[in-house]
Amino acid sequence: AQSVAQPEDQVNVAEGNPLTVKCTYSVSGNPYLFWYVQYPNRGLQFLLKYITGDNLVKGSYGFEAEFNKSQTSFHLKKPSALVSDSALYFCAVRDGSGTYKYIFGTGTRLKVLA
Amino acid sequence: DSGVTQTPKHLITATGQRVTLRCSPRSGDLSVYWYQQSLDQGLQFLIQYYNGEERAKGNILERFSAQQFPDLHSELNLSSLELGDSALYFCASSVLQGGNNEQFFGPGTRLTVL
Repeated sequence: AQSVAQPEDQVNVAEGNPLTVKCTYSVSGNPYLFWYVQYPNRGLQFLLKYITGDNLVKGSYGFEAEFNKSQTSFHLKKPSALVSDSALYFCAVRDGSGTYKYIFGTGTRLKVLA
Repeated sequence: DSGVTQTPKHLITATGQRVTLRCSPRSGDLSVYWYQQSLDQGLQFLIQYYNGEERAKGNILERFSAQQFPDLHSELNLSSLELGDSALYFCASSVLQGGNNEQFFGPGTRLTVL
């Protein structure tokens, strides 16, 4: 069965410092991996995805994520955090073998401190 | 603005009642997904429709049902409501049913069951 784990409920980082939000996954086929962000009282917004190709994926608002097949990880990164990046971040996985189910992680709250 | 609309924004009802949540996908999107977001359960995938047909089922209770109409809007029906059904319900849409498509989320309907 496919699953996704976000091991940290909250990540605190100082403004201007690099940030990492962790995600690991388990699927039976090739994974389709996604990151979404949710601001207070809003729906989720798509940030980036990995389908195939380069392991480093670049997305919106300066975010990027690195796909690591051997470690089954897809960590979200940004070189320099902004206070406005403070939000709830969700990793999601979809099994590339044909099931249409999307599985979301439990979310990681990112707090960027001024 | 994602282009996905959901009505109503807020809904307050009593236990045992039945409600209908409505979703209009982005123009051109054929796939609609429903999610439930609660504080203790995170974001739970409920069900997916593609061009009027059910495509995937997640943790959807038997008291809940959904459908997608010929004009592609979708409705989620929740019946015999319980206190534990209080949550944010999100609708999302994507162009196709395939695994490599990102989803666009609506602003959500906040359901409160008293």
